[in-house]
Amino acid sequence: NAGVTQTPKFRVLKTGQSMTLLCAQDMNHEYMYWYRQDPGMGLRLIHYSVGEGTTAKGEVPDGYNVSRLKKQNFLLGLESAAPSQTSVYFCASSWGGRPQHFGDGTRLSIL
Amino acid sequence: KQEVTQIPAALSVPEGENLVLNCSFTDSAIYNLQWFRQDPGKGLTSLLLIQSSQREQTSGRLNASLDKSSGRSTLYIAASQPGDSATYLCAVISGGSNYKLTFGKGTLLTVNP
Repeated sequence: NAGVTQTPKFRVLKTGQSMTLLCAQDMNHEYMYWYRQDPGMGLRLIHYSVGEGTTAKGEVPDGYNVSRLKKQNFLLGLESAAPSQTSVYFCASSWGGRPQHFGDGTRLSIL
Repeated sequence: KQEVTQIPAALSVPEGENLVLNCSFTDSAIYNLQWFRQDPGKGLTSLLLIQSSQREQTSGRLNASLDKSSGRSTLYIAASQPGDSATYLCAVISGGSNYKLTFGKGTLLTVNP
């Protein structure tokens, strides 16, 4: 009963490096979301997907790219990491307007 | 643009007390409203979901109400316990938004033994 699994859990990057965060869900959900959570800012939507092969921009998409090649996976990429992207990243999935299920987060530090 | 506000930002109560957390939203054209709990270093756990046509939902010691016309929701916790200590987040799905959630910044609840 894994639910939503995020990989990795922690990562430290240097400015300019690239990386990919992986989100996997085993609930056959159509909708998947990537959020970032920052102190004083709350949770903000980066990108989301309404089904396999689709992606769309959220509130704060700049500096990030996403892909949903398989229904169960949603990848978040940072092409050239910046210190402003230091944050905790959460992935979530759901059936439309039903409750979103969240992963435990990826804590990312950019030096 | 939908905005969600939660008051208070932090709340400390003694064990056993009943308490109310408040959430307000600016656009009443919502699909539903959800309350989540977040423990330190963890993801969010869904507590209650209220559809726009409903007035309240209950789960155990938790009761959430929704007044869509006034843009308000409350989360009532009865007989609070130290294990209830966490951050509580309110979020709304606005109509026609592809089911995207807009979150408040949360209320940090501490229940003292």
